[in-house]
Amino acid sequence: DVKVTQSSRYLVKRTGEKVFLECVQDMDHENMFWYRQDPGLGLRLIYFSYDVKMKEKGDIPEGYSVSREKKERFSLILESASTNQTSMYLCASSRPGTTLDEQYFGPGTRLTVT
Amino acid sequence: AQSVTQLDSQVPVFEEAPVELRCNYSSSVSVYLFWYVQYPNQGLQLLLKYLSGSTLVESINGFEAEFNKSQTSFHLRKPSVHISDTAEYFCAVRRNTGFQKLVFGTGTRLLVSP
Repeated sequence: DVKVTQSSRYLVKRTGEKVFLECVQDMDHENMFWYRQDPGLGLRLIYFSYDVKMKEKGDIPEGYSVSREKKERFSLILESASTNQTSMYLCASSRPGTTLDEQYFGPGTRLTVT
Repeated sequence: AQSVTQLDSQVPVFEEAPVELRCNYSSSVSVYLFWYVQYPNQGLQLLLKYLSGSTLVESINGFEAEFNKSQTSFHLRKPSVHISDTAEYFCAVRRNTGFQKLVFGTGTRLLVSP
């Protein structure tokens, strides 16, 4: 089974702190994604990566950056956390070019910025 | 660009009753359609998908969805729900060519009561 793990289930940070959210997948998937999930808004794509050191902005990249130095790891960085970044963050991975075309999700990190 | 509308934010039903969760999409190109389920305190899991072929697709736990191109809908149905079906359900769409960026609806919370 594909496994996507996220470094923390719950995280509390202060305004202005630099925050790292880590995601690791064990199925050698090329594609990795970061979403945030908010009530009434569903999932919104922040950034994605289709290869090591490659990244593309999603729909809401402002205030975030990402890093992908190794194929299995995709990090989301909040350079200076703000209260409006309090949310659930979900990481996903997938293998491109297959008819299965399924994204596998991690359990999520609930981030609270105070 | 693609978009997804889930009009019902919450659907309460009694156990063993039938349920329909509605999903409408908008796209100028051909698409693939998905339903994901999120159980409490877990990440998203793929429930079922429509890629091509038969317009009626089924999941292993009794859900089914029908792709209706003329009405641009992909409603999710189950003839008899269980307490364990209580979860949030997300409809998603992506175009059937190019990079696999998923666009999610806002989600429908299914609440099954005894």
